[in-house]
Amino acid sequence: AQRVTQPEKLLSVFKGAPVELKCNYSYSGSPELFWYVQYSRQRLQLLLRHISRESIKGFTADLNKGETSFHLKKPFAQEEDSAMYYCALPISGTYKYIFGTGTRLKVLA
Amino acid sequence: NAGVTQTPKFRILKIGQSMTLQCTQDMNHNYMYWYRQDPGMGLKLIYYSVGAGITDKGEVPNGYNVSRSTTEDFPLRLELAAPSQTSVYFCASGTSNTGELFFGEGSRLTVL
Repeated sequence: AQRVTQPEKLLSVFKGAPVELKCNYSYSGSPELFWYVQYSRQRLQLLLRHISRESIKGFTADLNKGETSFHLKKPFAQEEDSAMYYCALPISGTYKYIFGTGTRLKVLA
Repeated sequence: NAGVTQTPKFRILKIGQSMTLQCTQDMNHNYMYWYRQDPGMGLKLIYYSVGAGITDKGEVPNGYNVSRSTTEDFPLRLELAAPSQTSVYFCASGTSNTGELFFGEGSRLTVL
């Protein structure tokens, strides 16, 4: 079955420290993967998608097919990065998007 | 730009009551979704629709019904509410062009 796994429920880092939010997937074929973010009192929104290979708010994510991972990284965390992060992908051949369980990132001053 | 609008934002129901969560989008998106968000469980897909008149079950459809009579609207009906349906519900819409989903602000439902 296709699945997205985010092993960490909570990740706390100090401001200025590097951040890596983990996402692993099981999928047959070439997956499309997304990272969504939910800031406090805001709606869930797209952060980045692997196909566009872009950097948003200093975050990047590389698809590693060998390790079936799509980890989200930022070299220097900021307090405003504190939020809930979700990894997502569409089930093969459909537009049914499944999400991981999410990781809450807390950036400490 | 309104985007995806959900109503109500908050609701308390008694066990056995019914209600409808409304969702409307003004972006002319074909795809619409209902998710529920439970602590530690992430987002679970309840139902989705790929266009007017077409709906399909997601991961957790039991206890819910949907309809899609227009492109804009995708209401979620809860029949015979149960405490297990206490959750935050999110409606989303999207297109096949980018794969991006646009979410509503959420509806917090408590069943007592």
